[in-house]
Amino acid sequence: NAGVTQTPKFRILKIGQSMTLQCTQDMNHNYMYWYRQDPGMGLKLIYYSVGAGITDKGEVPNGYNVSRSTTEDFPLRLELAAPSQTSVYFCASSQGQGAYEQYFGPGTRLTVT
Amino acid sequence: QQQVKQSPQSLIVQKGGISIINCAYENTAFDYFPWYQQFPGKGPALLIAIRPDVSEKKEGRFTISFNKSAKQFSLHIMDSQPGDSATYFCAASRGGSRLTFGEGTQLTVNP
Repeated sequence: NAGVTQTPKFRILKIGQSMTLQCTQDMNHNYMYWYRQDPGMGLKLIYYSVGAGITDKGEVPNGYNVSRSTTEDFPLRLELAAPSQTSVYFCASSQGQGAYEQYFGPGTRLTVT
Repeated sequence: QQQVKQSPQSLIVQKGGISIINCAYENTAFDYFPWYQQFPGKGPALLIAIRPDVSEKKEGRFTISFNKSAKQFSLHIMDSQPGDSATYFCAASRGGSRLTFGEGTQLTVNP
């Protein structure tokens, strides 16, 4: 099991550019999440999904979009990148249905300049 | 209502000492309280978790103490080791789907 994988590991974007952060899990988990981590701020939930075709907003969804067409994949789309989106992004997954442990990927460090 | 407050922001402990990190929550509907450990350059990983029907849970050197009436919970690391140096996050959720994280505590254990 590879667990949760994320690509790319690092990326530098110019203001106004767009990109997609990829996330894949091979644990057949129902629930998937996207967080951003800023220094001293903990992790903030951007979007989450409880199953293929179902997504919902978290605490900080503005400037991001997601889709969940398969159980395995949960890409995060950044449109019109802004410096405020400079952060480390983590994808996570959990089984759901009473199994609450979230498994995190290694993260993507994004810089917008 | 969704906030989880964590303290201290940073903590320095000598090897063999006890590390204590505290968290307070507001939402009484929370029913799952995990602690995550994060090493530099890695994603967080679950360390230990507790449900509100017990006041304490121990796993090896790590113990969660839970005070439902005060809406507080804490992580105690006994016999702290340099390998425990990491960032620790408390979190809380209702039903396990959406975690609300504290701000994190950077623990340094000096040899």
